Amino acid sequence: TQLLEQSPQFLSIQEGENLTVYCNSSSVFSSLQWYRQEPGEGPVLLVTVVTGGEVKKLKRLTFQFGDARKDSSLHITAAQPGDTGLYLCAGAKAYNTDKLIFGTGTRLQVFP
Amino acid sequence: DTAVSQTPKYLVTQMGNDKSIKCEQNLGHDTMYWYKQDSKKFLKIMFSYNNKELIINETVPNRFSPKSPDKAHLNLHINSLELGDSAVYFCASSYEETQYFGPGTRLLVL
Repeated sequence: TQLLEQSPQFLSIQEGENLTVYCNSSSVFSSLQWYRQEPGEGPVLLVTVVTGGEVKKLKRLTFQFGDARKDSSLHITAAQPGDTGLYLCAGAKAYNTDKLIFGTGTRLQVFP
Repeated sequence: DTAVSQTPKYLVTQMGNDKSIKCEQNLGHDTMYWYKQDSKKFLKIMFSYNNKELIINETVPNRFSPKSPDKAHLNLHINSLELGDSAVYFCASSYEETQYFGPGTRLLVL
């Protein structure tokens, strides 16, 4: 299967700490996306990475796509309570970019 | 100015009933989707429509029937509801590779 495994599954940290979330697969993806979902809402796209080795920064969030395009990471610097939510990675295959395969999710709780 | 909207937001019903969930997007996108998110928050695609035509149909029981009357609407009808159908159902639309999700419909089958 083309499963995207995320780790850790749960993460509870204090405000100001740094953290990294991993998204791993045995499959190659043409692109990989990260979404954040807040309670009671739908996922919202944070970033799309398309090139192996690509690094993208969004304020305190740094996203990296693995060289082999099988894995990705999300690093948050100086986490804030507003970062709390469910983080989902999602991969797309070149032959079917309409079909996103979502990861297993990481639930992040940042305490003030 | 809601981008992707779904109704109802909550749906509580008895096993065996038939129910529908409606979705509308005002983004002008050609492609729309239905996803199911289970209690462990795993999000899985069910169907995808492009310009009213079905293009993705995952392994979903045929009790689930999507209908797209026009490219701005994608409804989901579920027959003979079962306990295992309890989940959050998300509608989404997409432009290029970005998907825009609705707020979800929380379905509870008793």
